[in-house]
Amino acid sequence: DQQVKQNSPSLSVQEGRISILNCDYTNSMFDYFLWYKKYPAEGPTFLISISSIKDKNEDGRFTVFLNKSAKHLSLHIVPSQPGDSAVYFCAASSGGSYQLTFGKGTKLSVIP
Amino acid sequence: GAGVSQSPSNKVTEKGKDVELRCDPISGHTALYWYRQRLGQGLEFLIYFQGNSAPDKSGLPSDRFSAERTGESVSTLTIQRTQQEDSAVYLCASSLTLLGRETQYFGPGTRLLVL
Repeated sequence: DQQVKQNSPSLSVQEGRISILNCDYTNSMFDYFLWYKKYPAEGPTFLISISSIKDKNEDGRFTVFLNKSAKHLSLHIVPSQPGDSAVYFCAASSGGSYQLTFGKGTKLSVIP
Repeated sequence: GAGVSQSPSNKVTEKGKDVELRCDPISGHTALYWYRQRLGQGLEFLIYFQGNSAPDKSGLPSDRFSAERTGESVSTLTIQRTQQEDSAVYLCASSLTLLGRETQYFGPGTRLLVL
């Protein structure tokens, strides 16, 4: 049973436009959420995180929104750049645990 | 090195053989983690180390899998009598401490193919 779901395997966006990547979770105990970015042949790199006490966290072009009632989070990238083309993983943890539960990832392609 | 390194980067083996995967964490990181990513799947947590100790081995898929860490540094993940379903990318990560919300830094992974 997948506790973290990324229902879109892929997404294509024009350069300069907004990219919106979505993630849903089922475990109500999750209280910390992260996005990782992965280029081919490299390991995932941490991008941005959000605690359940917040509903938004922003870092430059990247903003993560959390809707706890819907158990949904999203990552917005504005403006999208070709270098943003990668696989994005949503992950979650609970109770201060180190253990992360990952989604399957969404492959973002930013078209020049 | 500045980041987490793993070796080999690729490994092809025959069913039934044993394989050993190596992880060199970031120097000074006390926590180390192993994950597995099968094709089209998310990362699956396998095991963690706090120092040289792995208190919880329940995430390992079967008793053919074992892991150890020495000197609070290098870790090896060993898969005995490999099966085709073991084919995956095996990722190692490390963090400064085991405290929750510490950023985990990942290595590039070892891509294992069992024929």
